Amino acid sequence: DAGVIQSPRHEVTEMGQEVTLRCKPISGHDYLFWYRQTMMRGLELLIYFNNNVPIDDSGMPEDRFSAKMPNASFSTLKIQPSEPRDSAVYFCASSGGLAKNIQYFGAGTRLSVL
Amino acid sequence: AQSVAQPEDQVNVAEGNPLTVKCTYSVSGNPYLFWYVQYPNRGLQFLLKYITGDNLVKGSYGFEAEFNKSQTSFHLKKPSALVSDSALYFCAVRDTGGFKTIFGAGTRLFVKA
Repeated sequence: DAGVIQSPRHEVTEMGQEVTLRCKPISGHDYLFWYRQTMMRGLELLIYFNNNVPIDDSGMPEDRFSAKMPNASFSTLKIQPSEPRDSAVYFCASSGGLAKNIQYFGAGTRLSVL
Repeated sequence: AQSVAQPEDQVNVAEGNPLTVKCTYSVSGNPYLFWYVQYPNRGLQFLLKYITGDNLVKGSYGFEAEFNKSQTSFHLKKPSALVSDSALYFCAVRDTGGFKTIFGAGTRLFVKA
């Protein structure tokens, strides 16, 4: 398996623009997690899904952030409109099957909002 | 609410010496505890976990961790450090009620040759 795949790896955008981050989890995994990592706040859980259904979105900072999982092999995290304080590295992780307690992380998307 | 603390921002150790990276936690009920490692420009990688059973857990790359319920600690250890162990280490906790995992702030480990 190729692991968790995130795209793009880097994104530079201007304040006010819409940003969409993408994630393909490991095949067969039924949990998907979105995290944000910054120097100031560390690694924060934004939202997680089980069987494509959002279970806990209490970490989503505000209404500008939304996440969807239309099927078991794809998820998006959208920021609209983006702000400079959204600059961070966003990670997607998945878990499931016999390794349901272990999260496998993607390489992350480094977002810079100018 | 669950929480995890890593009291050291950085740990420095000489190659060949033992290393310890500290972690304490707070959770209602029985904890699930994890250690992950992050190398530059990479995602986190799983090292080891404690779910139940023996308090001493062995993981990848020669790492181990000891669960201490009375001290609510889960320190990461390795008998002999390697330069290649230099990375950012995260302790994480979740309770048995769900899959929401809380990560500590991370401890940067420097192993000097």
